[in-house]
Amino acid sequence: EAQVTQNPRYLITVTGKKLTVTCSQNMNHEYMSWYRQDPGLGLRQIYYSMNVEVTDKGDVPEGYKVSRKEKRNFPLILESPSPNQTSLYFCASSWGGGNEQFFGPGTRLTVL
Amino acid sequence: GIQVEQSPPDLILQEGANSTLRCNFSDSVNNLQWFHQNPWGQLINLFYIPSGTKQNGRLSATTVATERYSLLYISSSQTTDSGVYFCAGQFYSGYALNFGKGTSLLVTP
Repeated sequence: EAQVTQNPRYLITVTGKKLTVTCSQNMNHEYMSWYRQDPGLGLRQIYYSMNVEVTDKGDVPEGYKVSRKEKRNFPLILESPSPNQTSLYFCASSWGGGNEQFFGPGTRLTVL
Repeated sequence: GIQVEQSPPDLILQEGANSTLRCNFSDSVNNLQWFHQNPWGQLINLFYIPSGTKQNGRLSATTVATERYSLLYISSSQTTDSGVYFCAGQFYSGYALNFGKGTSLLVTP
């Protein structure tokens, strides 16, 4: 089944404890991106990647890192999480930047 | 900046009713998608429709790119249609999907 997977789906952590949210797609898509969803602010892009080893900042990149070493994986790294990073995170992928994007199931992160 | 505006913000329907959701966007798009966010938070792709009309069962969508709007039609609504409907546009100036604030739909029995 063609899909985007994220892990973990739910995570409660404490301020400053490094964490990684994994994202994987099995559709051989070149484009991948991360969004966060917050009440009143909607969905905003954090980072995106046009292909392996090519990443760029989205609208809200502060406090996040990404890497794209393999085509199928695009992990989101929070080196020192803070409470304002409590959010619902989505990974998405598509064939290219202008094509239909498919979203993962989301990761609910709470930083205490 | 680039804006995606959805209306109405909230909608309550009785089961079986029809509805039209509207999405206006402030610039030309090369990608326009409609999503349904279910009560578990998952974003379900409904339509990829940068222009033209598509239908999928009880749902259909129309995008008039030259006039910068898209419509989502829901016919014979069911309680399982409840949730938030988002439209999102990808503009020629960037790669991000710019989401509207959504239409929150509640379908009552």
